[in-house]
Amino acid sequence: AQSVTQLDSHVSVSEGTPVLLRCNYSSSYSPSLFWYVQHPNKGLQLLLKYTSAATLVKGINGFEAEFKKSETSFHLTKPSAHMSDAAEYFCVVSGRGGGSYIPTFGRGTSLIVHP
Amino acid sequence: EPEVTQTPSHQVTQMGQEVILRCVPISNHLYFYWYRQILGQKVEFLVSFYNNEISEKSEIFDDQFSVERPDGSNFTLKIRSTKLEDSAMYFCASSEAGRATDTQYFGPGTRLTVL
Repeated sequence: AQSVTQLDSHVSVSEGTPVLLRCNYSSSYSPSLFWYVQHPNKGLQLLLKYTSAATLVKGINGFEAEFKKSETSFHLTKPSAHMSDAAEYFCVVSGRGGGSYIPTFGRGTSLIVHP
Repeated sequence: EPEVTQTPSHQVTQMGQEVILRCVPISNHLYFYWYRQILGQKVEFLVSFYNNEISEKSEIFDDQFSVERPDGSNFTLKIRSTKLEDSAMYFCASSEAGRATDTQYFGPGTRLTVL
């Protein structure tokens, strides 16, 4: 079984300040972890993914995430928020190595960026 | 950059009517998926499709749902007799392969409203 918990339904930051979107997961197998972003009226776009290589994963638009097995976390960060980062963010876990490959989504975190 | 497209963007139907949601996956992708997101809830996996067969399906995907690849480009989701609780955003996705590590590329979604 696998699950994802996004700890914040909304995160509000000022432009130019750091962003932290939190995600904890549980998985019976070694997980693959993804962050997707959804802008209004757009499809889900992949930001980055972890698949057992480097634990610090760099993605598009300056985002990165660190896989911490001991904490079962995969938090998404960005040093400096931009207005265009305002969107819905989804953390996704997908089992591998024997686990189901069906991805499980978190509830999403809405990122609000103030000028 | 290739994209997954979906039509229509919005669909309004009466309870008990049949609806067909259409998707055009990325052309060299072999695996196709449908997800739904009821307003305020998580994105939920419905079904995956490969080689003209359903690969996996969730418990949500009951007998009222069916999928088809009627030609070389379209991938459809049919709901035979819609219920009020089918109102949701439906996302189509595709991937090159079906491993847990593979990135799924999502379309913009079809918003289905059942009255």
